[in-house]
Amino acid sequence: EDKVVQSPLSLVVHEGDTVTLNCSYEVTNFRSLLWYKQEKKAPTFLFMLTSSGIEKKSGRLSSILDKKELFSILNITATQTGDSAVYLCAVPKSRSTLTFGKGTMLLVSP
Amino acid sequence: DVKVTQSSRYLVKRTGEKVFLECVQDMDHENMFWYRQDPGLGLRLIYFSYDVKMKEKGDIPEGYSVSREKKERFSLILESASTNQTSMYLCASSPEFYEQYFGPGTRLTVT
Repeated sequence: EDKVVQSPLSLVVHEGDTVTLNCSYEVTNFRSLLWYKQEKKAPTFLFMLTSSGIEKKSGRLSSILDKKELFSILNITATQTGDSAVYLCAVPKSRSTLTFGKGTMLLVSP
Repeated sequence: DVKVTQSSRYLVKRTGEKVFLECVQDMDHENMFWYRQDPGLGLRLIYFSYDVKMKEKGDIPEGYSVSREKKERFSLILESASTNQTSMYLCASSPEFYEQYFGPGTRLTVT
């Protein structure tokens, strides 16, 4: 069965710190890995990493995929209080469905 | 901008009531999904639909049914609500490849 494990479960940092969130996966037929950010309501899409795109960057956020070791990391530099959220990692299962990890809750204190 | 809307943000129902949760997307996406999200359990897929009138069970379909009569609309039905169905319900839609767009969620409380 496909499995996605995120660590840590929660994290508290000070504004300005750099954080690294981890996502390891076990899937039968890897296609891609997705990162989402969830604040108070709906998850919003951040990145999708595939075999042909193993590194993505957007502003202070970046993500890499290690297909050999079966994990991905999401990096946030110079954190701000607005980065406080739950970060979700997901891999496709079949017929466009996703298997989600349980998420990492990040709290950035001022 | 993709927009996914859900009929209610908050809902309180009594045990045994029939509950309808509606989801509408405006991007002509083929796929639509219903999840529930609970603390410590993450997002779990209830049902999904890859075309009008087509549906497939997700990981936790028991106690739920769905309806997709039109491409833009996907309904989740709780035939007889129970207290263990108190949860946050999230709808999502996606085009062919995996990137899912979520609605704002419905927090359902069953008393």
